[in-house]
Amino acid sequence: GDSVTQMEGPVTLSEEAFLTINCTYTATGYPSLFWYVQYPGEGLQLLLKATKADDKGSNKGFEATYRKETTSFHLEKGSVQVSDSAVYFCALSDQNRGSTLGRLYFGRGTQLTVWP
Amino acid sequence: EAQVTQNPRYLITVTGKKLTVTCSQNMNHEYMSWYRQDPGLGLRQIYYSMNVEVTDKGDVPEGYKVSRKEKRNFPLILESPSPNQTSLYFCASSPNDSGSRDTQYFGPGTRLTVL
Repeated sequence: GDSVTQMEGPVTLSEEAFLTINCTYTATGYPSLFWYVQYPGEGLQLLLKATKADDKGSNKGFEATYRKETTSFHLEKGSVQVSDSAVYFCALSDQNRGSTLGRLYFGRGTQLTVWP
Repeated sequence: EAQVTQNPRYLITVTGKKLTVTCSQNMNHEYMSWYRQDPGLGLRQIYYSMNVEVTDKGDVPEGYKVSRKEKRNFPLILESPSPNQTSLYFCASSPNDSGSRDTQYFGPGTRLTVL
């Protein structure tokens, strides 16, 4: 079945460091891919998404490119800030298989802490 | 303000005492869903609903019930809570049009402890 694997955390960086959080997926069709972010004490919110191969999602300085050949959707940011400290979840949706379910399959989450 | 609300935000209860966690959205979304979040396991879907009176099981439905009598509300019911249901619960909703069906909006979470 569909699944997402993301790198284990926690990840600890200094401010202005480069960030990569790896995410790979398994799916039989052509899923949409997402990164959600969860700030302390809050629910998840969509950070970025990509719906087809080679699409690049971007938001708030974060980027991720949908790589079908490597089944990956790695999250990157060139210069992290203290305010980026949060838990990041990679997810996929099977919507593009024509299913009406719209289900999201989440990775286990990666805790990012950024020190000043 | 467009939002998903959950109540209560925090709840401590005892084994076997029935409880309901409410979820409400004001965005006229057709799709609603419940997840639980546990350390090291990420988010797992409990139940979902494609529209009023249409519900189905997710990955971990055992011990939970839901109902969808109105479009805006999707309560989660634990008839006889047990300690293994201690978790952080999230409600989410999304529209059903093909362009945005797969982007979900999450509530703030309900932290449940069952003693």
